[in-house]
This record gives sequence, structure tokens and C-alpha cells, in this order.
Amino acid sequence: AQSVTQLDSQVPVFEEAPVELRCNYSSSVSVYLFWYVQYPNQGLQLLLKYLSGSTLVKGINGFEAEFNKSQTSFHLRKPSVHISDTAEYFCAVNSSASKIIFGSGTRLSIRP
Amino acid sequence: DGGITQSPKYLFRKEGQNVTLSCEQNLNHDAMYWYRQDPGQGLRLIYYSQIVNDFQKGDIAEGYSVSREKKESFPLTVTSAQKNPTAFYLCASSPRRTEAFFGQGTRLTVV
Repeated sequence: AQSVTQLDSQVPVFEEAPVELRCNYSSSVSVYLFWYVQYPNQGLQLLLKYLSGSTLVKGINGFEAEFNKSQTSFHLRKPSVHISDTAEYFCAVNSSASKIIFGSGTRLSIRP
Repeated sequence: DGGITQSPKYLFRKEGQNVTLSCEQNLNHDAMYWYRQDPGQGLRLIYYSQIVNDFQKGDIAEGYSVSREKKESFPLTVTSAQKNPTAFYLCASSPRRTEAFFGQGTRLTVV
């Protein structure tokens, strides 16, 4: 069975500091991996995705993530955050029969 | 515009009543999904469908029912058997084995 673990429920950082949001997955087959962002009372917006190819994936708003098969991780990073990055971030995996499973989310709060 | 439309945005239900949440997509996607979101618990999969007239239970299907009579539509009924239905419900669709595209959600409150 597939599962996704987001190791941090909340991450506070100062504006313009770097940030890493951690995600680990488990699956017995090859996976497709995603990061989404959610602003209050809205749906989810795709930040980036890994389907195949280069393990370093770049997304919107300056975010990037690295797929590490040996560590079954897909951590999200941004070198310098802004107040507008305040939101909840979800990691997701799609590994079989179009079943997409999400992690429990990480709330990113930016301090001025 | 192509996209996923959920309606209504807010829904109030009396205890013991069934309610149906609408989800329509015009993206020609094969797969559709329903998720429930509660604070601190992320998105939990209720039901998903890969093709018309077929659907599978997710992790928390008890107290819910769905139908997939048309490719564009995947309504969710919250039945009286669902003991704690107050939550934010998100519908999504996806081409095969790639990312999901989400609607704006329906917030259901039991009064």
C-alpha cells in the first residue's frame, strides 16, 4: 500500500530565509510525486511534479524538489521565502491505478 | 474555461438528512476523486473513479456514496450514516497517472 508522510506539521521561518518541507513516501512500485499549495478556503494548486527523468524538479513561485529513490523522499525547497508563501503545503503520490494519496500537510508561516 | 466546478460552496445539513455535493469537469479527464479535509489531517480519499460506471472506495468511504454515470460528473452523497460530516470536501480530476486538478471545494456544516 502507498502512503505519504510529511514530517513537520508546522514550519515557521523568517522572510527571505531558505525553507525545506520534508516528504517521505512508501510504495512497492514506481511512483509519481507531487507538491501542492493551498491558500485558506480554496482548492489545491499544483506547485511541481515528478513523473520521470531529472530528479531535480523546478516548479512555480521559485520552489523546487528533489526525488531521492533510495531514501524514498521528495523534499520541497525554496532559497528565499516571501510573506506571500504563507500557506499549507501537501505532498502526494500516485503509484497505482490512478489512486492519489496525500500527506497530512505542512503549514508554512513566514515571519517578517 | 476548462476546469472543475463544485457546488454549492457552502452547505448546511440537518442531522439525519442526506445531502449531495456536485462536481462537474470539462477537462475530459478519465479519473475523478472526492477528498475530505479536516484541520491537521490533510486530505483523506473518500471515493475515486477511473472510468464511467466504475468507482472504488478510498480510505474513509463509510457513510458516503457516489455515482459516475457520465464522464463529466461525479456527485457525492453524504448520508445520515456519516457520523461526523462537518468538513471541507474537495473534488478533483486527473488524466491517467498524473496530477490531479482541484475544484474550489464545498464546506459542509451540520446544524
